[in-house]
Amino acid sequence: DQQVKQNSPSLSVQEGRISILNCDYTNSMFDYFLWYKKYPAEGPTFLISISSIKDKNEDGRFTVFLNKSAKHLSLHIVPSQPGDSAVYFCAARGAGSYQLTFGKGTKLSVIP
Amino acid sequence: DAMVIQNPRYQVTQFGKPVTLSCSQTLNHNVMYWYQQKSSQAPKLLFHYYDKDFNNEADTPDNFQSRRPNTSFCFLDIRSPGLGDAAMYLCATSSYRGRTEAFFGQGTRLTVV
Repeated sequence: DQQVKQNSPSLSVQEGRISILNCDYTNSMFDYFLWYKKYPAEGPTFLISISSIKDKNEDGRFTVFLNKSAKHLSLHIVPSQPGDSAVYFCAARGAGSYQLTFGKGTKLSVIP
Repeated sequence: DAMVIQNPRYQVTQFGKPVTLSCSQTLNHNVMYWYQQKSSQAPKLLFHYYDKDFNNEADTPDNFQSRRPNTSFCFLDIRSPGLGDAAMYLCATSSYRGRTEAFFGQGTRLTVV
């Protein structure tokens, strides 16, 4: 039973345009959400996070939006660059918990 | 640079032959994790240590064991690897202070032949 779902296995976007990656969750106990980026043959690297007390967090080209009522979050990358091509994982953590629950990832391809 | 280092990057082992994967960290983090990731799937938590306290996930097979002799090192032992254990194994660390992200190593790709 997947508690964190990334329903799009892949996404292609033209360089300079906006990339929007989506994530849904089912566990209402999750209160902290993270996005990780993973290149082939490397471990995931942290990108951006958001606490459930916020609905938006921005860091440079990356913005994460959280809609708690819909149990949905999204990562926006503007403008997209070829170096952004990677697999993006959404992850969630419950209150008082250390473990991260991951989605299956979305492979983003940014086309020059 | 402070980091999480996994050795080896690639490991080939024979069916049923015990294998050990290692992880070290220079971040001085209290919490260390082992995740298993199979192709096109989400990383799955096997177990984690909070300092020396070991926390096993309910569905982690008994075939998987772990040791953490000190803050810096953590080992994953697979006692009798099966073909289904072929995967990427990811070690990660985090600090218990506040809601910080987990830092991952580069992973060990395990092949069972």
